[in-house]
Amino acid sequence: QVQLVQSGAEVKKPGSSVKVSCKVSGDTFRNYAITWVREVPGQGLEWMGRILPIVRRVDQSPKFQGRVTITADKSTSTAYMELNRLRPEDTAVYFCARDPKGSGNYIGLDPWGQGTPVMVSS
Amino acid sequence: DVVMTQFPLSLPVSPGEPASISCRSNQSLLHSNRYNYLDWYLQKPGKSPQLLIFLASHRASGVPDRFSGSGSGTEFTLEISRVEAEDVGVYYCMQALQTPPAFGPGTKVHI
Repeated sequence: QVQLVQSGAEVKKPGSSVKVSCKVSGDTFRNYAITWVREVPGQGLEWMGRILPIVRRVDQSPKFQGRVTITADKSTSTAYMELNRLRPEDTAVYFCARDPKGSGNYIGLDPWGQGTPVMVSS
Repeated sequence: DVVMTQFPLSLPVSPGEPASISCRSNQSLLHSNRYNYLDWYLQKPGKSPQLLIFLASHRASGVPDRFSGSGSGTEFTLEISRVEAEDVGVYYCMQALQTPPAFGPGTKVHI
C-alpha cells in the first residue's frame, strides 16, 4: 500500500523559508509525479506545482514561480517543497499527493500525505 | 488558465436523501482521447483530501457506489444517491487537462 508521509508542523517568521518533505513508501518514484497542494484557511485548495522525479521535470503554478522550489531525492523516495520569502498569507496546510502524470494512465491524485501545517507569524 | 466554478457553495443535506453538486470550467476538459480530465475530491474535517472520482465518471478504488460523476466538456456533476453522515465535508472539483491544474472553490456539505 502506497503511503506518503510528510514532515511535521512549522512556525516561521515572515521573510524566512520553509522546506516540507514528503516520503513515499510502498512504491517508487518510477512513472509517477508528486504534486504539492496547499489549503489556506477559508480559501480552499490551491495547486502549487509538481515534480516528475524520473526526469526531474518540474511544473509550477505561475503564482509561486520565483518563490517555490520543488525537488526530489530518488535514493530516498522523498520529494521536497521549499517556499521562500514567506508572508503571513502563506499560513496554510501543505499537502503532497501522488500524481499519475507521466504514467500514461490518469487515475487522479491519490493517495495524499497527511498534511504539514505551516504558520507564518512575527 | 482554466477557471473552475462550483455551485452551490454550501449544501445542507439530510441522511438518506440524494445530493448533487455542479462544477463548470471556462474551457472544455475533453481530451482528444475522449476522456474528460475532471476529478472530484472530498476533504473531511481535519483530514487530507481524498479522491472520489477521476476522468469525470470513474470511481476511485474503495469509494462507495452511492457516489457517481457525470458530465462532459465544461459541465460536470457529482451525485450522492443517499447521503450518509460520514459524507460531510468540502467537495472540490479539479481540472487536470491543462497545467496548472485548478480546483473549484469547494462545496461544503453539511447536515
